[in-house]
Amino acid sequence: DGGITQSPKYLFRKEGQNVTLSCEQNLNHDAMYWYRQDPGQGLRLIYYSQIVNDFQKGDIAEGYSVSREKKESFPLTVTSAQKNPTAFYLCASSIDPSPGTTQYFGPGTRLTVL
Amino acid sequence: QQQVKQSPQSLIVQKGGISIINCAYENTAFDYFPWYQQFPGKGPALLIAIRPDVSEKKEGRFTISFNKSAKQFSLHIMDSQPGDSATYFCAAPRGAQKLVFGQGTRLTINP
Repeated sequence: DGGITQSPKYLFRKEGQNVTLSCEQNLNHDAMYWYRQDPGQGLRLIYYSQIVNDFQKGDIAEGYSVSREKKESFPLTVTSAQKNPTAFYLCASSIDPSPGTTQYFGPGTRLTVL
Repeated sequence: QQQVKQSPQSLIVQKGGISIINCAYENTAFDYFPWYQQFPGKGPALLIAIRPDVSEKKEGRFTISFNKSAKQFSLHIMDSQPGDSATYFCAAPRGAQKLVFGQGTRLTINP
C-alpha cells in the first residue's frame, strides 16, 4: 500500500529534551511538509521540502529542525528551544511543490511535554 | 501574507439538512482552493477542490461555490449524514509553493 507513515503515534517528552518525529512516504513524491495542529488554529506550516537536500522554513519554524537526506524521509526534530511543543504534528507529501497538487497527510504524532 | 478566514468554528446540523462552511481569502496568484476533511485522531484528506475557471464544482453531496470578486468560497454538504461529522479545513495558495489553511470547522450531524 502506498502512503505516508508517521511514528510514533504518541510521544511524551520531558522539558529540555530534543525529540525526533519520523515521517516516511512511499508515494515517490518530491515535496514533503510538516504542519502543527492546535485546537482552533488550523494547520500551521513548520517546514517544507521541494526536493532532496533542500528545505525551507514555514510560518512557525523557530524551535524546530528538519533534514531531507532521502526522497522518502523527512524527519522533524523538536528542540528544547520550542517553548510550547505540545501539539498534534502532521506530515504531508505531494507529487510536486505546486500548491495546485493534492497534499497527502500521514496519521499524525501527538506530542506531549510533561 | 495570505490569510484564510473560515467560519463558523463549529456547526451542528440535523441529519438530512444542509451544512454550509465559508472561507474568505485575501490575495492569490494561483487559483486552486481545496477542502480537507479530518476525522478525530487522523490526518486530513482531500475532500474536493476547485480551480475557479468555474464558479461551482459538485461531487456527490459535496459542492464548492466560488465567488472570485468577493474572494470567498464555501462548502455545501447536502443531505448531511452522521458519517460527515468531522473537522473541515479550507485552504488557499500562498506564493508558488505553499497552502495556507483556515482555522477549521467542527461539524456535528445529529441523527
